[in-house]
Amino acid sequence: EAGVTQSPTHLIKTRGQQVTLRCSPISGHTSVYWYQQALGLGLQFLLWYDEGEERNRGNFPPRFSGRQFPNYSSELNVNALELEDSALYLCASSRQGGAQPQHFGDGTRLSIL
Amino acid sequence: AQSVAQPEDQVNVAEGNPLTVKCTYSVSGNPYLFWYVQYPNRGLQFLLKYITGDNLVKGSYGFEAEFNKSQTSFHLKKPSALVSDSALYFCAVRDTGRRALTFGSGTRLQVQP
Repeated sequence: EAGVTQSPTHLIKTRGQQVTLRCSPISGHTSVYWYQQALGLGLQFLLWYDEGEERNRGNFPPRFSGRQFPNYSSELNVNALELEDSALYLCASSRQGGAQPQHFGDGTRLSIL
Repeated sequence: AQSVAQPEDQVNVAEGNPLTVKCTYSVSGNPYLFWYVQYPNRGLQFLLKYITGDNLVKGSYGFEAEFNKSQTSFHLKKPSALVSDSALYFCAVRDTGRRALTFGSGTRLQVQP
């Protein structure tokens, strides 16, 4: 079975720009999660989508947003990029049910100059 | 609020020796606990989970973890370490209702030949 796929693998942007990251979940998974892995800050939860709806978000400003499409793929949008947004952005997916493990993609490395 | 602590930034072990990576947690209610491994420039790979039942959980690649409710610990173990086990290991607890995973700060495992 194909794993979680994320695109692009790397991105370089400048302050103030906007970026869109994409994620395709494992077939049969309806929940998608986004995490930020920034140097020195560890892994932090950003957003959770299930059945096309945003179910929960972490402690991030509103310029971080996203959506989930009918095929369960997802986008993460970040507006007005700041230097501290430089990080690895990880997408994960899972089947429905709280006990299901989340399976991660290899991430998008975002660098802000 | 839930939290996870991984008290060791790095664990060094000789190949063939047993290894332990420590994790303690704090949640209100029953915990869902997970271990993930991250290799360089890759996403997180699911190793094992504890939801309920036996305190000793077996996972991928010969890893196992012992759940101890009284000590609120979930230590990762392997009877015989391999050089290829060298990686960054994360313990995580699932947030009841929110589905977000709260991660520990990670422990770097170095297995020497």
